[in-house]
Amino acid sequence: NAGVTQTPKFQVLKTGQSMTLQCAQDMNHEYMSWYRQDPGMGLRLIHYSVGAGITDQGEVPNGYNVSRSTTEDFPLRLLSAAPSQTSVYFCASTLRTGLNTEAFFGQGTRLTVV
Amino acid sequence: GDSVTQMEGPVTLSEEAFLTINCTYTATGYPSLFWYVQYPGEGLQLLLKATKADDKGSNKGFEATYRKETTSFHLEKGSVQVSDSAVYFCALPGYSGAGSYQLTFGKGTKLSVIP
Repeated sequence: NAGVTQTPKFQVLKTGQSMTLQCAQDMNHEYMSWYRQDPGMGLRLIHYSVGAGITDQGEVPNGYNVSRSTTEDFPLRLLSAAPSQTSVYFCASTLRTGLNTEAFFGQGTRLTVV
Repeated sequence: GDSVTQMEGPVTLSEEAFLTINCTYTATGYPSLFWYVQYPGEGLQLLLKATKADDKGSNKGFEATYRKETTSFHLEKGSVQVSDSAVYFCALPGYSGAGSYQLTFGKGTKLSVIP
């Protein structure tokens, strides 16, 4: 009964380094998404995917890449980390898109860029 | 696009006090409305939901009623406990101005309950 699993839970990067945040779900959900959470800003959508092979940008996509080669996995890549990317990142999945579907969230990754 | 306006915190209450967190929304169509809760150090989890106008969602003593006429979905609890200390988010599913599907969140209200 894993749900949505994110790794790592914590990460410190130096400016300019790259890394991948992992996200996996075992519920066969179509839709997966990445959010960042910053104080006073709520959650903002970075990228999303409506199915394997299909991704699109959200509200704040700059500096991030995603891919969706399988239904289960949706990794988020930071190409060249910047201090402005210090945040808590959440992966979420929903069974499908629609006006009545709830999202399931991972535990989050707290990223610090120094 | 859709939007959610949520009462800003932080909110500090004594144990057994009454809680209200206001949430109003603008949306295209008739989406479900959700309250999510984030306990310290954890991810978001669904607290309750309502799928249509006049529906009341409830869970763990919390309630919220989907009011279409006032476009509101206020969260209430009659008697809060220390264990209710968390950040609460109002949210609705829909489509942004650019056409992408997403959950739109309020900015969150941090609740602290003191013994």
